[in-house]
Amino acid sequence: GAGVSQSPSNKVTEKGKDVELRCDPISGHTALYWYRQSLGQGLEFLIYFQGNSAPDKSGLPSDRFSAERTGGSVSTLTIQRTQQEDSAVYLCASSLGGRSYEQYFGPGTRLTVT
Amino acid sequence: KNEVEQSPQNLTAQEGEFITINCSYSVGISALHWLQQHPGGGIVSLFMLSSGKKKHGRLIATINIQEKHSSLHITASHPRDSAVYICAVRSIDSNYQLIWGAGTKLIIKP
Repeated sequence: GAGVSQSPSNKVTEKGKDVELRCDPISGHTALYWYRQSLGQGLEFLIYFQGNSAPDKSGLPSDRFSAERTGGSVSTLTIQRTQQEDSAVYLCASSLGGRSYEQYFGPGTRLTVT
Repeated sequence: KNEVEQSPQNLTAQEGEFITINCSYSVGISALHWLQQHPGGGIVSLFMLSSGKKKHGRLIATINIQEKHSSLHITASHPRDSAVYICAVRSIDSNYQLIWGAGTKLIIKP
């Protein structure tokens, strides 16, 4: 596609359920990033992929969070046993890769845990 | 002290006014990004710059590496420019992580 896409755009789930958030990066972009923005807060880095590998998972807030990327393209962010504090907008970005490339953001997935 | 500081935090102006949003940072950087976030969460990258000045339509971004300061200017502001403007820097110590400013909420009144 022309830009980064994310699905679903909105997700409401009950506390304790697992959720999967999907990101389709721009074709040819080797780098992929996940960020989280809680209500009224700035963006929080979660994880970075270069190709299929994730050299930095330090931003994942707990072991309930995991992410994978297959085929150097689509990425899935999984949150297990969701908690109310997981409610946020989850943003994905992609870039050509490397130090100087611009990041292009998807529209985000708004997750609400009730 | 935050590594990236933006000012002002909030700005309300009348349509047509010239707008300036400032960003100061305390780390060595390889690039600085200006991004726009509209209500609902979507983020659009406006500029990425490492020196000098860039212009796109009514938007101008400048950076002074020696002073560790960047400005985003909007000429002939319009209500559709109302959004949160975010400054983010890529530290020279990381080839991917961005350090984010808190954002400036801009409201342009007709």
